[in-house]
Amino acid sequence: GESVGLHLPTLSVQEGDNSIINCAYSNSASDYFIWYKQESGKGPQFIIDIRSNMDKRQGQRVTVLLNKTVKHLSLQIAATQPGDSAVYFCAENRPGGYQKVTFGIGTKLQVIP
Amino acid sequence: DAGITQSPRHKVTETGTPVTLRCHQTENHRYMYWYRQDPGHGLRLIHYSYGVKDTDKGEVSDGYSVSRSKTEDFLLTLESATSSQTSVYFCAISPANTEAFFGQGTRLTVV
Repeated sequence: GESVGLHLPTLSVQEGDNSIINCAYSNSASDYFIWYKQESGKGPQFIIDIRSNMDKRQGQRVTVLLNKTVKHLSLQIAATQPGDSAVYFCAENRPGGYQKVTFGIGTKLQVIP
Repeated sequence: DAGITQSPRHKVTETGTPVTLRCHQTENHRYMYWYRQDPGHGLRLIHYSYGVKDTDKGEVSDGYSVSRSKTEDFLLTLESATSSQTSVYFCAISPANTEAFFGQGTRLTVV
């Protein structure tokens, strides 16, 4: 999951296993959610998004699950690879456009070869 | 990186001096954003633009100004740099005010 603080939550996963990164969002009015991946020294990269009228969305090797009842979002990565090592951010978008996006501090995913 | 170039990539400046960071895009996207990224705070929006000459403040806009005279360029100016503005700055663009595409970042150190 994610927490506010100076130390990033870290998830260590064996190569080939599935990874689940969790995110608790704060605003029940948020209607759009985005996952980003940030590799060291680079800018965040869009992975997948989901709107609040859905509870699941799949991409290539990634699945996002949304549970609005408990305000929880998760990113599942299948068959985790060394290239998946990065910091993953969830972002929630309140109605009003992208300028209303709030980012979490991120979760660091370490893939063990 | 979705056709986004930030310049400079690294800068060291003295307290009290003005600094301008440039973001250039080749995607013709309408929306452009400036964020700062600091440990423990994630990404925070400084200013954004929804068209040429159309800009508005984000959550941490004090001490910053922006200008957008052309679709492709979005400038961020620190009017008088302070040590608290030492950070990594990211520009982002979006075609429809939804998901954003980020540049590589500018590491700014104010001494």
